[in-house]
Amino acid sequence: TQLLEQSPQFLSIQEGENLTVYCNSSSVFSSLQWYRQEPGEGPVLLVTVVTGGEVKKLKRLTFQFGDARKDSSLHITAAQPGDTGLYLCAGLKEYNFNKFYFGSGTKLNVKP
Amino acid sequence: DAGVTQSPTHLIKTRGQQVTLRCSPKSGHDTVSWYQQALGQGPQFIFQYYEEEERQRGNFPDRFSGHQFPNYSSELNVNALLLGDSALYLCASSSGTGVRETQYFGPGTRLLVL
Repeated sequence: TQLLEQSPQFLSIQEGENLTVYCNSSSVFSSLQWYRQEPGEGPVLLVTVVTGGEVKKLKRLTFQFGDARKDSSLHITAAQPGDTGLYLCAGLKEYNFNKFYFGSGTKLNVKP
Repeated sequence: DAGVTQSPTHLIKTRGQQVTLRCSPKSGHDTVSWYQQALGQGPQFIFQYYEEEERQRGNFPDRFSGHQFPNYSSELNVNALLLGDSALYLCASSSGTGVRETQYFGPGTRLLVL
C-alpha cells in the first residue's frame, strides 16, 4: 500500500492548457518534495515545502502544502512540451533518521 | 562539482546471477540511499548507508545487500536474480538532517533480468 497517492496517474494535454497534480495521504509529513523525472534519468528536485499552507512558485509551477501537512498539489500554468515527464511527490518522515516516501507518480504529456 | 554518478548505465543478466551496482555521491554528501523503480512507478526505498553502516532498510529481501566505503561511495549487490528484479536502480545522496534534508539522484542503472 502506497503511503502517498498521486492523481491523476496519466495526463495528456495540449500546449497552453493548465493542469493540477495532487499528492494525498492520511499521514502527516515533516516536509514534502516534488521531483520531475525524464525517461532514462533520475528524478530532479523541483521544490521542498515545509510549513503547512506554504505556497511556492517556480515560474509557471505553483506548489502548495496542505494546512495539515498531509497533502500537496502542483499546478502548472500554460503547459509547454518541455514540461513533459513523470512528476513525483515524496514525503519526509522523521524517525531516528529521516525517511522519504514516494508517490506512484503522474505521467504528464504535453502535446505541441 | 560532479553530481551523483552511477555505473553501469545498463546491465543485462540472467536469472540466478548476481549483480553489483555502484554509486558515487555528490561532493560533501555522507549519506547514500538506494531505490528500485519499476517502469512508470515511483521509487521504492531499499536501504540507506551512513558512516559505512546500513542505517535503515525498506521491505526488500536479504538478497539485496550493500556497502559504503570510507569515501562515501556505495555498492548495491543483488544475489540470485529474479525476473522481477528488472528495474531502474537509483542512488541518492544527501547531507544533514532535519526537514530540509534534500536528496540528489543519480541517472540510475537500468537492470534487465532475462
